[in-house]
Amino acid sequence: GDSVTQMEGPVTLSEEAFLTINCTYTATGYPSLFWYVQYPGEGLQLLLKATKADDKGSNKGFEATYRKETTSFHLEKGSVQVSDSAVYFCALIKGSQGNLIFGKGTKLSVKP
Amino acid sequence: DTGVSQDPRHKITKRGQNVTFRCDPISEHNRLYWYRQTLGQGPEFLTYFQNEAQLEKSRLLSDRFSAERPKGSFSTLEIQRTEQGDSAMYLCASSLVGGVRTEAFFGQGTRLTVV
Repeated sequence: GDSVTQMEGPVTLSEEAFLTINCTYTATGYPSLFWYVQYPGEGLQLLLKATKADDKGSNKGFEATYRKETTSFHLEKGSVQVSDSAVYFCALIKGSQGNLIFGKGTKLSVKP
Repeated sequence: DTGVSQDPRHKITKRGQNVTFRCDPISEHNRLYWYRQTLGQGPEFLTYFQNEAQLEKSRLLSDRFSAERPKGSFSTLEIQRTEQGDSAMYLCASSLVGGVRTEAFFGQGTRLTVV
């Protein structure tokens, strides 16, 4: 069945370091891909999305590019801040409005 | 509108008791989802509604679980005869099918602990 695999956490970085969180997926057809973020004590929030191959989603300095050839959607940020400390979830949707299939999440801690 | 709200935020119950959770979606959203999240895992899909119709149920949704959305607005998720394995965060999300922004918005969840 369809699935999402994320790199294991936790990831600990110093402020202003470069961030990459790997995400690969298995799905038939052409899913839409998402990154959600969960800050401590808050609900899941959509960070960015891409709906077709080679699309780049971006928001708050984060970017991810939909790579169909490698079935990947890696999350990157050039310079992380302490406020980026959160759990990040990669997810996919089959079709235009199906249910989300999530990875296990990657916890990011950014130290000052 | 302040987003998706869930009630209660926390629930502790004894094994064998019934519990009911409520979700109020964003008012104009026509689709409502329930997910379950256990520690160290991503959310897992349980069921979803399009307006008042329950269109899909995951095999994770055993016979002890029932969900309703009687008027196409708020939804309830009931768990009967709770078991320790039901301990999890129960998440509700809503979206607008056919709108400009179609992504799902999540509530803060209800954390269930079965003792």
